Amino acid sequence: DTAVSQTPKYLVTQMGNDKSIKCEQNLGHDTMYWYKQDSKKFLKIMFSYNNKELIINETVPNRFSPKSPDKAHLNLHINSLELGDSAVYFCASSQGSGALATTGELFFGEGSRLTVL
Amino acid sequence: KNQVEQSPQSLIILEGKNCTLQCNYTVSPFSNLRWYKQDTGRGPVSLTIMTFSENTKSNGRYTATLDADTKQSSLHITASQLSDSASYICVVSARAGGYNKLIFGAGTRLAVHP
Repeated sequence: DTAVSQTPKYLVTQMGNDKSIKCEQNLGHDTMYWYKQDSKKFLKIMFSYNNKELIINETVPNRFSPKSPDKAHLNLHINSLELGDSAVYFCASSQGSGALATTGELFFGEGSRLTVL
Repeated sequence: KNQVEQSPQSLIILEGKNCTLQCNYTVSPFSNLRWYKQDTGRGPVSLTIMTFSENTKSNGRYTATLDADTKQSSLHITASQLSDSASYICVVSARAGGYNKLIFGAGTRLAVHP
């Protein structure tokens, strides 16, 4: 009965490869997010989708492309991986849309640790 | 510039003791302030969400305070337990266009020793 689940939990890959991280939520929320947590532990928003539509894109390189097939799923595809992409990526969801989307409680997944060699 | 600063960076206390974590922010316009607990290797879990009009909010042994005038918040943990060992992250929500943007602090890493 996991609320927000993301796979894989660990991902080790070579520079230049393309990889994807999947996220699913069973909370019935309208809004989903991808966050990046760097080595200094800061969490930074990357993308936010509301009902399959992109509402936040925080100056993330074009190599990162989120895809939301339905409002319960938000996958993250990364092309041409670089060393600096190594981090923990968190998926999250919340109820509401637009200005309401981030006034409510955020539910995070367990994180996907990406290591680029 | 919207920023959230937390102190101390890390803290060690003995089981059963109380502690207080601090959060100062320079976020405008303010929407709400949250405290999250992040266990090692896990995702953050919400402890409290406080709006502008709320001064204090409790969740079990966790009590958060908010002073919107001085832009400060604290998280007080009472009778600490080993399971309280985690990072505690202060997050402030700012209104930005049609949505609220969350600004995260770097967290305070708490270690509770027996």
